[in-house]
Amino acid sequence: QQQVKQSPQSLIVQKGGISIINCAYENTAFDYFPWYQQFPGKGPALLIAIRPDVSEKKEGRFTISFNKSAKQFSLHIMDSQPGDSATYFCAASIRSGGATNKLIFGTGTLLAVQP
Amino acid sequence: DADVTQTPRNRITKTGKRIMLECSQTKGHDRMYWYRQDPGLGLRLIYYSFDVKDINKGEISDGYSVSRQAQAKFSLSLESAIPNQTALYFCATSGWGGYTFGSGTRLTVV
Repeated sequence: QQQVKQSPQSLIVQKGGISIINCAYENTAFDYFPWYQQFPGKGPALLIAIRPDVSEKKEGRFTISFNKSAKQFSLHIMDSQPGDSATYFCAASIRSGGATNKLIFGTGTLLAVQP
Repeated sequence: DADVTQTPRNRITKTGKRIMLECSQTKGHDRMYWYRQDPGLGLRLIYYSFDVKDINKGEISDGYSVSRQAQAKFSLSLESAIPNQTALYFCATSGWGGYTFGSGTRLTVV
């Protein structure tokens, strides 16, 4: 029940295309769903996050879509660029006291954007 | 200086040796974490600490121990390293703005 399932494992997209990565969870107590971006040799960095009281959040070319009833959320990267090539992780947690609690991560998606 | 600093960045050690990975942070956060990253398995939580006197096991704590020496310092030890502990290890802190990760320690056990 603590798992977060992520797909696909890898993704190749042409420059200018839309990249879509999907995640599903089981624990309905999760109330915070972030996405992290990781470049080779670096630690993951927070990209965008959503709470379950909204169905979509957009920041620039990055959008999270959230379906509470289906217990699924996805990351959409519009107009994908070669610089977006990285590993993306979805995650979920139960926030307490306003601060981020322990995160449960998906298995990651390696995105390659071809020029 | 980085917000979260991990040392060493790379380490090769022999089976059976004790090794310590160190983490320090300047974010002023109480919450600190150790994760392990393996290809295809994502990031898995080893141990976490919500303050100096609070230490909790994560999902894969067997074979590991931790020490929270101060609010800013959280170290991970492998008491007797084995080859399947070869992985990339990340320390992180969390606060209002989510997690901040260090740059990782690549550990190879031969």
